[in-house]
Amino acid sequence: AQKITQTQPGMFVQEKEAVTLDCTYDTSDPSYGLFWYKQPSSGEMIFLIYQGSYDQQNATEGRYSLNFQKARKSANLVISASQLGDSAMYFCAMRTYGQNFVFGPGTRLSVLP
Amino acid sequence: DTEVTQTPKHLVMGMTNKKSLKCEQHMGHRAMYWYKQKAKKPPELMFVYSYEKLSINESVPSRFSPECPNSSLLNLHLHALQPEDSALYLCASSQAGSSGVAETQYFGPGTRLLVL
Repeated sequence: AQKITQTQPGMFVQEKEAVTLDCTYDTSDPSYGLFWYKQPSSGEMIFLIYQGSYDQQNATEGRYSLNFQKARKSANLVISASQLGDSAMYFCAMRTYGQNFVFGPGTRLSVLP
Repeated sequence: DTEVTQTPKHLVMGMTNKKSLKCEQHMGHRAMYWYKQKAKKPPELMFVYSYEKLSINESVPSRFSPECPNSSLLNLHLHALQPEDSALYLCASSQAGSSGVAETQYFGPGTRLLVL
C-alpha cells in the first residue's frame, strides 16, 4: 500500500529565510510521481512542483525545489526566500500507476515578518 | 491557463434541502474529480469522471449524486445531507484521466458547505 508521511504538523520560518518541509513515502512500485500542493486559507489547492521517480535531477520551479532522495524515500520541499504569502498548508502527494493520489496529512507553514 | 472554477463559494443548507455544486474547466481536460476535505485533513477522493463517464465512486453515500453533462462541466447534486457532510468540496481536473504517474490534477477554489 502507498503511504505519505509528513512529520511536521506546523513550521515557522522568518520572512526571507529558506525552509524545508519534509515528506517521506512508501511504495513498492518502481514508477511513481511525487507532487506538492499549497493550500492557503482560501481553500484552493495550488500545484507547486512534480518529481518523477525516474527523473535524474531534482525538480525546481521558481522559489520551490524538491530535494529528492530516492534511497531514503524522501521528497522534501524547499522554499527559498520565504514570503508572507507562503503561509499556508502544504500537502505532499504520490501517484503510482493506475492509482489515484495519496495525500500526506499536511504541514502548516507560518511565515513570520 | 490552469483555472478550475467552482460555484457557489459558500453554501448553507438544511437536511431536507436539495442543492447542487458546480465545477467548470476550460483546459481541455478529459478527467474531472470531486474531493471532500474536512478541516485540518487532506482531501478525500469521492468521484472520478473520465471522458464523461463515471470511472470511480469511492463508496460515497447516495445522497451525493455526481453528473458530468460535458467534458467541461461537473456537478455534484446534494440531497438529504447530514451535518457531518459539512466540509470543503473541491473539484479538480487532469488532462486525460490516464493511469500515468505524472498526470497533475488542478484544483478549483472549493465550495464550503455547511449542513444544518
